[in-house]
Amino acid sequence: QGQLVQSGTEVKKPGASVRVSCKASGYTFITYGIIWVRQAPGQGLEWLGWISAYNGNRKYAEKIQDRVTMTTDTSTTTAYMDLRSLRSDDTAVYYCARVVSLSGTDAFDIWGQGTMVAVSS
Amino acid sequence: DIQMTQTPSSLSASVGDRVIITCRASQHISRYLNWYQQKSGRAPKLLIYAASSLQSGVPSRFSGSGSGTEFTLTISSLQPEDFATYYCQQSYNTPRTFGQGTKVEIK
Repeated sequence: QGQLVQSGTEVKKPGASVRVSCKASGYTFITYGIIWVRQAPGQGLEWLGWISAYNGNRKYAEKIQDRVTMTTDTSTTTAYMDLRSLRSDDTAVYYCARVVSLSGTDAFDIWGQGTMVAVSS
Repeated sequence: DIQMTQTPSSLSASVGDRVIITCRASQHISRYLNWYQQKSGRAPKLLIYAASSLQSGVPSRFSGSGSGTEFTLTISSLQPEDFATYYCQQSYNTPRTFGQGTKVEIK
C-alpha cells in the first residue's frame, strides 16, 4: 500500500535553513516520483516541486527555485527538501506525496502526515 | 501558470444532500484534472483522477466529470464524514496548480 512518514516540527529564525525528510516504505521507492506541497495557515495548497526517485530529475516552482533543493537517498528510501533563507511567509505545513501515473496522467496518491515549519524571530 | 478557480468557496449542506463543486481552468487541460479531500489537520486524500476515475477505496457517491476547462465534483448523498475542504488540481503542465478549495460545512 505504501506510507510516507515525515520529520517533526521545526521552528526557525528568519534567514535560517530547514531540512524536511520524507521516509517511504511499503513500495518500490525508485518507481515513483515525490512532490512537495505546502499549506500556509488557513490557506490552500501550493506545489513546490517534483523529484524523480529513479534518476533525480527535478522541477521547482519558480517562486522558490533559488532557495530550494530537493533530493532523494535510494539507500534509505528517503526524500529531502532543503529550504534556505527562510522568511516569515515560509511558515506552513509542508507535505510530501507520491506521484503515481494513472490513465495517462499523474496524481498524488500517498501523502506524508505533514511537517510544520514556523519561521519567527 | 494555469489558474484553477473553484466555485463556491464554501457551502452549507445537510446529510443526504447532493453537492456539486465546480472547477474552471484558465486554459484547456483536456482531462488532466484531479480532486482531493482534506479534513481539518490532515493531509489531502486523492478522490478522483483524470477528471472522472474513482481512486481505489473511495465511495461511489463521489463522481467527477468534465473536460477542457470546466469540471465538476459531485457528492450524490452527503455523509457526515464528507464535511471537509475539496481541492481540484491540474496535471496538464508544470507547475501543477490547485484550486483555492471549497469548504463543505454542516447546515
